[in-house]
Amino acid sequence: ETGVTQSPTHLIKTRGQQVTLRCSSQSGHNTVSWYQQALGQGPQFIFQYYREEENGRGNFPPRFSGLQFPNYSSELNVNALELDDSALYLCASSFSTGTSGGDTQYFGPGTRLTVL
Amino acid sequence: SQKIEQNSEALNIQEGKTATLTCNYTNYSPAYLQWYRQDPGRGPVFLLLIRENEKEKRKERLKVTFDTTLKQSLFHITASQPADSATYLCALDEQTGRRALTFGSGTRLQVQP
Repeated sequence: ETGVTQSPTHLIKTRGQQVTLRCSSQSGHNTVSWYQQALGQGPQFIFQYYREEENGRGNFPPRFSGLQFPNYSSELNVNALELDDSALYLCASSFSTGTSGGDTQYFGPGTRLTVL
Repeated sequence: SQKIEQNSEALNIQEGKTATLTCNYTNYSPAYLQWYRQDPGRGPVFLLLIRENEKEKRKERLKVTFDTTLKQSLFHITASQPADSATYLCALDEQTGRRALTFGSGTRLQVQP
């Protein structure tokens, strides 16, 4: 177990609705990244938060937004849901120091979102 | 365009044999390359990290090589076991400051008893 938890496990929404997914990082980790994984594909980077500020964003529209809180929890919000948003949403926490890379990311089990 | 390619077809091998998985990339300059294992319905689990100035890294039955000239990484599992059956993902870290990973689509490994 990675110590990263996500809720809910599964979620069904209809097109046009809004959804909030939650993640609890490992204690002490200052960075959280969110990924979208479609069936049969690798995870695609959505955005990353470092010390509660957005620190990079992938090729996702602004209706995907997030927050990171001081208590190692974070949220992914998606507005105006589309059918193509159906996927497994993964959060990953890590501890980053300075500008060096090579951080091991610890993934949660994911939230399976289905948009009808 | 940037691409990370892993064998999309499943790799089937007999128990005890060595499994070799390939990760090729184009138009990236990764400072690090990582391999993850993912079981169905679960999040990826970190296995190994190799730096651009390292040729090879080992951990128990796992070995990773990284050839920045060929733009390729090979991932080996020796003495494979049915419990090794999973999808294996390679991920590039370009050290751009955002510390996010760019993943390939993964290769599914099936080890037959």
